[in-house]
Amino acid sequence: SQKIEQNSEALNIQEGKTATLTCNYTNYSPAYLQWYRQDPGRGPVFLLLIRENEKEKRKERLKVTFDTTLKQSLFHITASQPADSATYLCALPGSNDYKLSFGAGTTVTVRA
Amino acid sequence: GAGVSQSPSNKVTEKGKDVELRCDPISGHTALYWYRQSLGQGLEFLIYFQGNSAPDKSGLPSDRFSAERTGGSVSTLTIQRTQQEDSAVYLCASSPQGLGAETQYFGPGTRLLVL
Repeated sequence: SQKIEQNSEALNIQEGKTATLTCNYTNYSPAYLQWYRQDPGRGPVFLLLIRENEKEKRKERLKVTFDTTLKQSLFHITASQPADSATYLCALPGSNDYKLSFGAGTTVTVRA
Repeated sequence: GAGVSQSPSNKVTEKGKDVELRCDPISGHTALYWYRQSLGQGLEFLIYFQGNSAPDKSGLPSDRFSAERTGGSVSTLTIQRTQQEDSAVYLCASSPQGLGAETQYFGPGTRLLVL
């Protein structure tokens, strides 16, 4: 099974700056990778999916990269806002495509 | 339409009691998943349903855990003889067909505390 590591449990940044989160995996490279956002007391909410043949994906102020050589995905929040404060989870499929393995998450706090 | 709903939102029980957690998936979604999230931990896969069948029960931690799904809709996760280590947030998710790369839509979770 995949071992997934997300950088530092917490990231504190100033409003307007870019937050960069890392997701590293150890075994086989998956066909895709997903990022979810989780607010306290809520279930995760899907943000972005990037496929193995895509280097970069963008959605509004979010950008995801996927480097299968480094076995790493980077998640960027540009022009961060206090409303971006949440925990961000990366998720990868296992040998069974439907079954996602999740990282422990990185909690981002954006200071006004 | 409505999202995934779960009940109860919170459950406090005594060690040794049985509990039932309910999940109502998005209407029309054939795939349903149960996960467990302990404090500061990632989501731990428990079980996957395709329709009423559970082709993957590999994540159930012990035989005290069981789940069923009826009518291709509502699912119930049952924990018998609860232990303190069962305390966690139990999350349910659904997706349209259970195909690769589908978005999973999560419910708000049931917070279980075993005293």
